[in-house]
Amino acid sequence: DTAVSQTPKYLVTQMGNDKSIKCEQNLGHDTMYWYKQDSKKFLKIMFSYNNKELIINETVPNRFSPKSPDKAHLNLHINSLELGDSAVYFCASSRGRNTEAFFGQGTRLTVV
Amino acid sequence: GENVEQHPSTLSVQEGDSAVIKCTYSDSASNYFPWYKQELGKRPQLIIDIRSNVGEKKDQRIAVTLNKTAKHFSLHITETQPEDSAVYFCAASPFSGGYNKLIFGAGTRLAVHP
Repeated sequence: DTAVSQTPKYLVTQMGNDKSIKCEQNLGHDTMYWYKQDSKKFLKIMFSYNNKELIINETVPNRFSPKSPDKAHLNLHINSLELGDSAVYFCASSRGRNTEAFFGQGTRLTVV
Repeated sequence: GENVEQHPSTLSVQEGDSAVIKCTYSDSASNYFPWYKQELGKRPQLIIDIRSNVGEKKDQRIAVTLNKTAKHFSLHITETQPEDSAVYFCAASPFSGGYNKLIFGAGTRLAVHP
């Protein structure tokens, strides 16, 4: 059973388009995250939700809008895609503070 | 905000040798320090973590040490094997309104040569 799954795995799109990435976890965790991994492998937190409530927003452009319909799902919608948005986006979940974060398999976004 | 520095950025060792990766953090309120391993094209996965009330933790060939005074923590891998080849990330969890917020180091690419 996949603990944290995200779709799609690959996404190639043109500049200016709008796209969404979906994430689901079946671990019963209360907290979910989006991380961005750039071409240099640097992992940076973007957002965190706890029980559907946004608790961390790391000065991400307004073009990025997360949505959590329930605590098992956290989606990421990106408007007006730019070349610099190309990266691997990881969804993750954890039971709470100072506990292991389980990562999804990642979505490789390429903006052309 | 919290900043985590990780060294070295690349590390090449012979099979059977030991590997050491070091990290420093800036926020003295951080109290959770996990280490993640990321194989090529795969997701990061936790290999070991340590909390601030412990100075050292060991799990088979992997050990982590923490010096809270100096704000340093290190990963030690003994008897390295080719399958240890991957990118390793340290992280620190600063207090952020009571919620988890992992700040990652820049990663160390470890290559173990047979």
